[in-house]
Parts: sequence; structure tokens; C-alpha cells
Amino acid sequence: DVQLVQSGAEVKKPGESLKISCKGSEYSFTNYWIAWVRQMPGKGLEWMGIIYPGDSDTRYSPSFQGQVTISADKSISTAYLQWSSLKASDTAMYYCARRDWNYVYFDYWGQGTLVTVSS
Amino acid sequence: EIVMTQSPATLSVSPGERATLSCRASQSVRSNLAWYQQKPGQGPRLLIYGASTRAAVFPARFSGSGSGTEFTLTIRSLQSEDSAVYYCQQYNNWPPTFGPGTKLDIK
Repeated sequence: DVQLVQSGAEVKKPGESLKISCKGSEYSFTNYWIAWVRQMPGKGLEWMGIIYPGDSDTRYSPSFQGQVTISADKSISTAYLQWSSLKASDTAMYYCARRDWNYVYFDYWGQGTLVTVSS
Repeated sequence: EIVMTQSPATLSVSPGERATLSCRASQSVRSNLAWYQQKPGQGPRLLIYGASTRAAVFPARFSGSGSGTEFTLTIRSLQSEDSAVYYCQQYNNWPPTFGPGTKLDIK
């Protein structure tokens, strides 16, 4: 079965940097886009951006452009989401999700990584 | 950016009954509409794509319909495990956008 396994929960202070990960298995990681989706506490889903691990082609939602960086290391089937300077408003659950081969819906999801930013 | 709206925000239905959830797009998305189920403490799961094609892991009690701007998710013979938040998402236009969700309670 396709699996996306995300790194564990993080507690950080404002201004700190962070990189969380999403490791894919049981499918050809390089051939499927991986997206990141934010869910703030008690809120809905927000699409942040997407990367094609095969060539690291990356697209961002306008709302998140410049706020985060999405990357991937295809040699270890892992995608990343990183912040250079966290804010309290970055506190949220973050999911990675695999994009369908043909269409931009998401057929497999990671278990989520909770990021808490607090002084 | 296409704005998705969902109604109602919360729906409370008895076991064995039917639930009807609505999703509306601010402009036509043709049939490029997906539904996801999210249970408490879990990540979302793909439920419906192409507006009406059910993902294999879900039973036939779940069905989707609609095209253009109006879509419906129908769940028949409700069971307690159907309690969840249901999100719609359009993928006709870039960027993909989600609706705010409908919370379904099985009372």
C-alpha cells in the first residue's frame, strides 16, 4: 500500500527555523507530485504548494509564496516543508499528500505533523 | 481563485438515515470536484473524485453527484463511524481550493 509517513510533532519558538519531512513508500516517488496542506487549529484545509520530486518543479499557493520552502530529495523518497523564521501564526497541523497522476486531487495523505510555535 | 462554499456547516442525523451535504463553486469547475472525509485526529481521506467516482475503500452508501457549480455528497444508511468533517475540493482551476467543510454528527 502507498504510504506517506511524516516526521514527528515539533515545538518551536518564534524566529526559529524548521524543516519537516514526508517519506513516501510503495510507489514510484519521483513520478507523483507531493503537496503540502495546512490545517490551523479547528479550521479547514489550505493548500500550500506542490513539488514534483522527479525534477523538483515547485508551485506555491499565492498565500504561501515566500513564507515557506518546499523541497524534495528523490534519492530517499522524501519531501520537505521548511520555514526560516517561524511565527506563532504558523501553529498548525501540516499534511503532505500525493497528487493523483492526472488530476490535482490528493489520493493519499500523510498522518500529519503538528507544529507548535510559542514563546 | 475559485471559492468553494459548503452547507450546512454542521449536520446532525440519526443512524440509519440519509445525509445530504452540499458544495458550491464560485464558477464552473465542470466535474473536477473531489470530496474528502476527515475523522478527529486523522488526516483526510479521498472519498469521491470526478464528482461521482467513489474511492475503492468506501462503501456504496457514499455517492457524489453534480457538475458545474453545484455538487452533492449523499450518505445513505448512516452509521456511527461516518461522523467526520467532509471537505470538497475543486481541481479544475489553479490553485486547487477546498471548501470550509461540513461537520456530520451521528446522533
